[in-house]
Amino acid sequence: KNEVEQSPQNLTAQEGEFITINCSYSVGISALHWLQQHPGGGIVSLFMLSSGKKKHGRLIATINIQEKHSSLHITASHPRDSAVYICAVRKGGSEKLVFGKGTKLTVNP
Amino acid sequence: DVKVTQSSRYLVKRTGEKVFLECVQDMDHENMFWYRQDPGLGLRLIYFSYDVKMKEKGDIPEGYSVSREKKERFSLILESASTNQTSMYLCASVGQGKNQPQHFGDGTRLSIL
Repeated sequence: KNEVEQSPQNLTAQEGEFITINCSYSVGISALHWLQQHPGGGIVSLFMLSSGKKKHGRLIATINIQEKHSSLHITASHPRDSAVYICAVRKGGSEKLVFGKGTKLTVNP
Repeated sequence: DVKVTQSSRYLVKRTGEKVFLECVQDMDHENMFWYRQDPGLGLRLIYFSYDVKMKEKGDIPEGYSVSREKKERFSLILESASTNQTSMYLCASVGQGKNQPQHFGDGTRLSIL
C-alpha cells in the first residue's frame, strides 16, 4: 500500500464549480505539500502545511494531523486551474518527500 | 526567486549510450534530488545529494549514477541507456532544515530509442 494516497485520480469540472482533492497518508510527517504541475511544465509548490489551514487566492489547503488527511479546495474554478495536483509528505527530519500519484483536474469552460 | 535549471527540455538518445542530465540551482541549497515521473506511477526518487560529493540512493537507483562536484550542480548519469529509461526527469533542490518547499526544474523529457 502506498504511503500517500490521493483521490480522485481524475476530476472533470465545469468552470465556477467548487473542487476538492483529498490526500491520506499512513506515516508520521513533519510537513505536507501540495504541488501543481501544468501540462508539459515543471512543478510548483502551492502550500506547505504542518497544521490547520492555509489560503492563497482561490486555493485553500487543510490538514488534520490526527486523521492523517489533507484536502485541497479550489473555489470558483477556472480553466487555467487545469493541471495535475500532487500531494507529498516530508517524513520526520528527512528532506526527502514521498509523493502521491497525483490528481488530474480538467476544468471546462 | 529560486531558479533550478535543467540543461535540456527534450532529449533523444540511443540504447547503450551514456547520457548526462545536468541540473543547476542558484540558491546555495545543500539538498538536491533527481526524480523520474511516469504515468500512473507518479514521482519516484532516483538519487538524493545532501552535500558536495555526498549522495544517497533513492527508491529506483538501478541503472543510474550521480555526481555532485560543486554545490550548485547535480548530474544524473545513465551509464548505458535502455528503452525502459524513457521518462520525464525532474531535478529539485531545497535548503537544509529551513522547512521550505522543494524547488523543481522544468523537467527533461528523455526518449531512448
